[in-house]
Amino acid sequence: GAVVSQHPSRVICKSGTSVKIECRSLDFQATTMFWYRQFPKQSLMLMATSNEGSKATYEQGVEKDKFLINHASLTLSTLTVTSAHPEDSSFYICSAQPSHMDTEAFFGQGTRLTVV
Amino acid sequence: AQSVTQPDIHITVSEGASLELRCNYSYGATPYLFWYVQSPGQGLQLLLKYFSGDTLVQGIKGFEAEFKRSQSSFNLRKPSVHWSDAAEYFCAVSGNTGKLIFGQGTTLQVKP
Repeated sequence: GAVVSQHPSRVICKSGTSVKIECRSLDFQATTMFWYRQFPKQSLMLMATSNEGSKATYEQGVEKDKFLINHASLTLSTLTVTSAHPEDSSFYICSAQPSHMDTEAFFGQGTRLTVV
Repeated sequence: AQSVTQPDIHITVSEGASLELRCNYSYGATPYLFWYVQSPGQGLQLLLKYFSGDTLVQGIKGFEAEFKRSQSSFNLRKPSVHWSDAAEYFCAVSGNTGKLIFGQGTTLQVKP
């Protein structure tokens, strides 16, 4: 149980285009999901907290108009990188916090984004 | 401020030797503590976690960690390292929201 599926695992896009990344909790409901970013040889940094049915909460320094987050259901959150640039190339990983359970959030497999 | 410090950026140990990775945290409330491992180009795998109770926590792959509140530490240990343990290790802290603060990571290299 407690599986989080993140898609795609890898994506290459052209500079100026948008890319959507999906994060799904397969066997549990998640009121809250989190999006992290990891640059090469660095740690993971929280970008935003995604709450089902409401606006996401962004961490300081993260552009909300560039990184659009939608959490339309209890099992799906999406991150859209708009007008991507090479500096947005990174590893993006989501986690989902099970609703009504005192347990840790579960991570997806991550998405390697390369902007060329 | 809430933070996690992993003092050792890079550690090299010989296969079969013991291992200890250090982690110190600063957190205003009761912390939930985690150790994750990440192989190159891969996602995160949870090694172990501490929420409450026994301060010595057993995890997967023969790892254990001890929570020491007085020292604000949660060090990871393994009695005998295998070559397959070479990876990046992250210590993390959260409250009960699931939002994680990660340390900088420690790269473990294992010598044959």
